[in-house]
Amino acid sequence: GEDVEQSLFLSVREGDSSVINCTYTDSSSTYLYWYKQEPGAGLQLLTYIFSNMDMKQDQRLTVLLNKKDKHLSLRIADTQTGDSAIYFCADINQGGKLIFGQGTELSVKP
Amino acid sequence: SAVISQKPSRDICQRGTSLTIQCQVDSQVTMMFWYRQQPGQSLTLIATANQGSEATYESGFVIDKFPISRPNLTFSTLTVSNMSPEDSSIYLCSVAISGGGYTFGSGTRLTVV
Repeated sequence: GEDVEQSLFLSVREGDSSVINCTYTDSSSTYLYWYKQEPGAGLQLLTYIFSNMDMKQDQRLTVLLNKKDKHLSLRIADTQTGDSAIYFCADINQGGKLIFGQGTELSVKP
Repeated sequence: SAVISQKPSRDICQRGTSLTIQCQVDSQVTMMFWYRQQPGQSLTLIATANQGSEATYESGFVIDKFPISRPNLTFSTLTVSNMSPEDSSIYLCSVAISGGGYTFGSGTRLTVV
């Protein structure tokens, strides 16, 4: 079945760039998503990319999609302590259901 | 894009009891989705709720345990029945928004003691 994989932890220093990576198996994915979950909170849709695009930029966020390798990344420029959270990658399968990765816990150190 | 109000935000319940979670959307939507997030885990889809028909449950989830109502295009409830400590999780509802995205409610943090 479909699978979405992420590394579990990432630690960066404040002001550095963070890059969170994700791989997926469903070659028919139409959209791929990045969500942010702060402690004790729900999911916030950060950004998403259509599968015919290879890059999308939104302020400090840059999403790169390599469809051939089924690899998605989220780059956060000038990472701040407020960016500390769990980041989930997700894709849409053929049945229209969101499939989530395990989440990457981003820790930003001052 | 749609805004979802979900309540309660958290609850502590006795085993054997039931809890009903509500989601209200500020616009009409065809499908609503219910997810479970067990402690330290990712999200798992429980069921898809369509207005006017029975909910569609994913493998491992049954209607008797997680009955869902969808009385109109802006509202849905999920009941967690006959709770046990293993049901302690965050439960979230979600709807599709224009342009291909999905937005989520703020979640219900359930602890069963």
